Amino acid sequence: DIVMTQSPDSLAVSLGERATINCKSSQSLFFSSINKNYLAWYQQKPGQPPKLLIYWASTRESGVPDRFSGSGSGTDFTLTISSLQAEDVAVYYCQQYYSNFPTTFGPGTKVEIK
Amino acid sequence: QLQLQESGPGLVKPSETLSLTCTVSGGSISSSTYYWGWIRQPPGKGLEWIGNIYYDGTTYHNPSLKSRVTISVDTSKNQFSLNLSSVTAADTAVFYCARLGKWLQPSYFDYWGQGTLVTVSS
Repeated sequence: DIVMTQSPDSLAVSLGERATINCKSSQSLFFSSINKNYLAWYQQKPGQPPKLLIYWASTRESGVPDRFSGSGSGTDFTLTISSLQAEDVAVYYCQQYYSNFPTTFGPGTKVEIK
Repeated sequence: QLQLQESGPGLVKPSETLSLTCTVSGGSISSSTYYWGWIRQPPGKGLEWIGNIYYDGTTYHNPSLKSRVTISVDTSKNQFSLNLSSVTAADTAVFYCARLGKWLQPSYFDYWGQGTLVTVSS
């Protein structure tokens, strides 16, 4: 299986400041024939299901604020919240969905307000 | 607006079979465009993919759950179901049903049910 790791485990950021979450996969998620990375990001608030934020590593889901952005390629990816809002307090997960492997999630990163 | 809703017993005894159903509304499960899946989350822990199903009954499941998982679909009721056999306390979790991204398996999950907590205890 492809193992996903995330860093940090948690972070506290001041309102309006940038939050950066890293995700690393044990093998490349880049599929050269379609030039895409099989990586998604989710936000999960307490008592709620995960919400899809980003797919194909950098494509924002419809309705997701543009302060959320995804970047990276191969094995190293980043989710950036450019200006943290109070409603962004949540746990964030990355997920790989690379072909022919069971899909797996990272362990999560908890984002709090400093 | 697509909606998914899990239903089933909230308490299952050890060694028995956990059975859940996901009812889809606002869209057809028979669409050839999408797969449908199950994910679980033990209390306070991360997400684990269980398996996916297509409208024609084609299934994929997580090898880590070996032969304990059965996923089925009932297109007439716009539902798909999960059976997990020989449960133990380690299977206690919130179970989510979800839709996969268009045309792709595996894929990201773009619509999720609210989840249902299943506790395994005697």
